Amino acid sequence: AQSVTQPDIHITVSEGASLELRCNYSYGATPYLFWYVQSPGQGLQLLLKYFSGDTLVQGIKGFEAEFKRSQSSFNLRKPSVHWSDAAEYFCAVVRINTGTASKLTFGTGTRLQVTL
Amino acid sequence: DTGVSQDPRHKITKRGQNVTFRCDPISEHNRLYWYRQTLGQGPEFLTYFQNEAQLEKSRLLSDRFSAERPKGSFSTLEIQRTEQGDSAMYLCASSLERGAITDTQYFGPGTRLTVL
Repeated sequence: AQSVTQPDIHITVSEGASLELRCNYSYGATPYLFWYVQSPGQGLQLLLKYFSGDTLVQGIKGFEAEFKRSQSSFNLRKPSVHWSDAAEYFCAVVRINTGTASKLTFGTGTRLQVTL
Repeated sequence: DTGVSQDPRHKITKRGQNVTFRCDPISEHNRLYWYRQTLGQGPEFLTYFQNEAQLEKSRLLSDRFSAERPKGSFSTLEIQRTEQGDSAMYLCASSLERGAITDTQYFGPGTRLTVL
């Protein structure tokens, strides 16, 4: 079964600083990978996704992520964090559809705090 | 595109009562998913529908839980004889399934259930 590990439960960065959130996955083949963001009390908003092709994917709000097959990682980055980026970030993997459910498996999340 | 909507946004109930939540997916989406998210955790898959057919249920979905999608549009999730352990955010997502490829799941704002 697939699994996702987000090793950092909580990260604090200063506004304007760079950010990298780590995500490692366990899966037997090339997965579909996602990063979602969740503001307090809200649902999840898709930041970006990787299905195939270029391993560096661009998302909304200035975020990008790089798929590294050799490291089973899909880390999220942003060169300059804004105070409004404070939220919970979830990495997720979905099995490529082979006739079975394409449910998402999420990591436990990383809470980002931004100091001014 | 009005997005995925859920109703109610918040529900407080007493232990032993029944509750029902509604999800309206993005109109052209044929897949609808239910997830549950407890405090400090990522969402966990509960069940999903393709059109009106319920194709998979998680072991998390005890026999007190039932979900329907009668006309392949909106869905309801009912919890009977609620327990305090049912307190969580219930998230709905929808996607468009085309052949063997599953597209992005878009999430609603969630229904927060508190069982007293």
